[in-house]
Order: sequence, then structure tokens, then C-alpha cells
Amino acid sequence: EDQVTQSPEALRLQEGESSSLNCSYTVSGLRGLFWYRQDPGKGPEFLFTLYSAGEEKEKERLKATLTKKESFLHITAPKPEDSATYLCAVPVSNDYKLSFGAGTTVTVRA
Amino acid sequence: DTEVTQTPKHLVMGMTNKKSLKCEQHMGHRAMYWYKQKAKKPPELMFVYSYEKLSINESVPSRFSPECPNSSLLNLHLHALQPEDSALYLCASSSGANQETQYFGPGTRLLVL
Repeated sequence: EDQVTQSPEALRLQEGESSSLNCSYTVSGLRGLFWYRQDPGKGPEFLFTLYSAGEEKEKERLKATLTKKESFLHITAPKPEDSATYLCAVPVSNDYKLSFGAGTTVTVRA
Repeated sequence: DTEVTQTPKHLVMGMTNKKSLKCEQHMGHRAMYWYKQKAKKPPELMFVYSYEKLSINESVPSRFSPECPNSSLLNLHLHALQPEDSALYLCASSSGANQETQYFGPGTRLLVL
């Protein structure tokens, strides 16, 4: 069964303390991996789509990378406004369904 | 522009009420989705419309009734809900090809009393 696992569940960082979030997946024939940011009570905000191993994408302090088994979201010199839950998701089967990880909640203290 | 809009932002309803949630996108997307999200959980897929036809119904109770009047609009009609239906309801859209990026709206926070 297709599965997406994110770790850690929660991450507490000091402002400026870089770290990485992990998203591991067990899907046959990856057809894309999506990263979202979600603030409490709001809809997920799209960050990145990665399609092939070795691909990297950056946006401000965030950088997403992809291997054949996992993806990392690196947060460089985070600021308090980077505090959010970060979700990863992969398409499953050949329809419109996504399998989401449980998310990593990041808290950045000033 | 990757904006999906949803109204209302908040909704409180009794178990005998009938209400509707609305979603709109102007990105030319041909697939639209309804998700339900409980606190500290990832979104759960409810319905998918592809080219204005219901493509997926994830065994959702009949008290939830989706409607897609045209390619830009998606409604979710609510009737005789239960308190356990209280959640954040999210609309999303994508280009129409499966496995493409889904863009989410801000959600409607629903409380059923």
C-alpha cells in the first residue's frame, strides 16, 4: 500500500537555526511529490512540486530535494514567520487522489 | 494567479439546517476537489469533479451533496449534519490532468451544534 511518512512530528528551532524535514514514501512509480505549508485554520499553501530524483527547488529560505525514497525540506536560517505545519503528498493510483503525510509542525522562536 | 476562493470563512449550523459552501477558481482548471480536515490531521478527500463530472466520491454520507455548476464553481450542500462533521472544509483545484499540483483555498471552518 502506498504510504507517506513525515518526520519529525514537531520541530522547535531558534531563529537562524537551520534544519531539515523528512518525507519518505513507498509508492510504485513516483509521479510527483508535493510540499505544502499550512498555517493554523487556513488552507495548505503550495510550495513545491518535485518529479524526479535529484531535482531541487528553492523558495526564499526553503529548499526541497528528492531522492528515490524520500524528500527533504531544508529550512535555512528560519524566522518566526516560518512557523507552520509542512505537509508532503504524493499522487496515488492513476486518478486524482493524493496520499498525505501527517505533517511536521515547525515552531521558530525569536 | 493561483487563487482559489471559498465562502463563507466560518459557518455555524444546527443539525436541522441546510447550508451551502461555495468555491471558485479562475485559473482555467478543470478538476476541483472537496476535502475535510480535522485538527492536527492531514486533509481527507471527499469528492473530485473532473470536467464538471463527479469523478470520485470517497463514500461520503449523503448529508453532503456536491455540485459543479460550471468549470469555475464548486458547491457543497449540507443537510442534517452531525456534530462530528465539524471541521475545516477545503476546496482545491488542479489543471485537469491527474497527478498535477492541487491548489487549495483558505477553507471554511464549520461548526455543527
